[in-house]
Amino acid sequence: QKEVEQDPGPLSVPEGAIVSLNCTYSNSAFQYFMWYRQYSRKGPELLMYTYSSGNKEDGRFTAQVDKSSKYISLFIRDSQPSDSATYLCAMSASRDKVIFGPGTSLSVIP
Amino acid sequence: DVKVTQSSRYLVKRTGEKVFLECVQDMDHENMFWYRQDPGLGLRLIYFSYDVKMKEKGDIPEGYSVSREKKERFSLILESASTNQTSMYLCASSPEGPTNEKLFFGSGTQLSVL
Repeated sequence: QKEVEQDPGPLSVPEGAIVSLNCTYSNSAFQYFMWYRQYSRKGPELLMYTYSSGNKEDGRFTAQVDKSSKYISLFIRDSQPSDSATYLCAMSASRDKVIFGPGTSLSVIP
Repeated sequence: DVKVTQSSRYLVKRTGEKVFLECVQDMDHENMFWYRQDPGLGLRLIYFSYDVKMKEKGDIPEGYSVSREKKERFSLILESASTNQTSMYLCASSPEGPTNEKLFFGSGTQLSVL
């Protein structure tokens, strides 16, 4: 079983839709949970960062962590064509290496 | 604007060649990393460094080495390139701290080994 699993998609939604992206993990020691966004032919950029369980909101983006289920989510409200990218979940335990999911490819259609 | 700069965007090399990938960051970050990214496999850590002249193996160090002579520069070396090293290589840096969650990435080098 991989440490971090993520549906690769591709996911295609109409503009304005609510998008839900998810990852599951197996290592209960993970405490830091991140979402990175990667545009085509670019490096990933940090989008959201959450410590431990709970929700975090930033504009149209909401990150959720459920440690009891080992499940994290990223919600995008009012999705825009500029949100079309690959979204990578990532997590780590204390000062340790970051483990990335394989990424979900998202297309938002105007 | 903070930056991680990778010297080449695209590289084509022959099997057996020695390949140097250069990475420079201007954020005075302590930590630097080299990842490779392959479809379906995500990002895999090759090597990292928490200080000048210090290096640590990541998950897939075989066939690679690194050099960090200056704080801002972290080089990845493929000693004898092979076709299975065809990949996107990403350099990243992060500030000193308890975690490495805030990684800043370069734009990547797409390496093709023929």
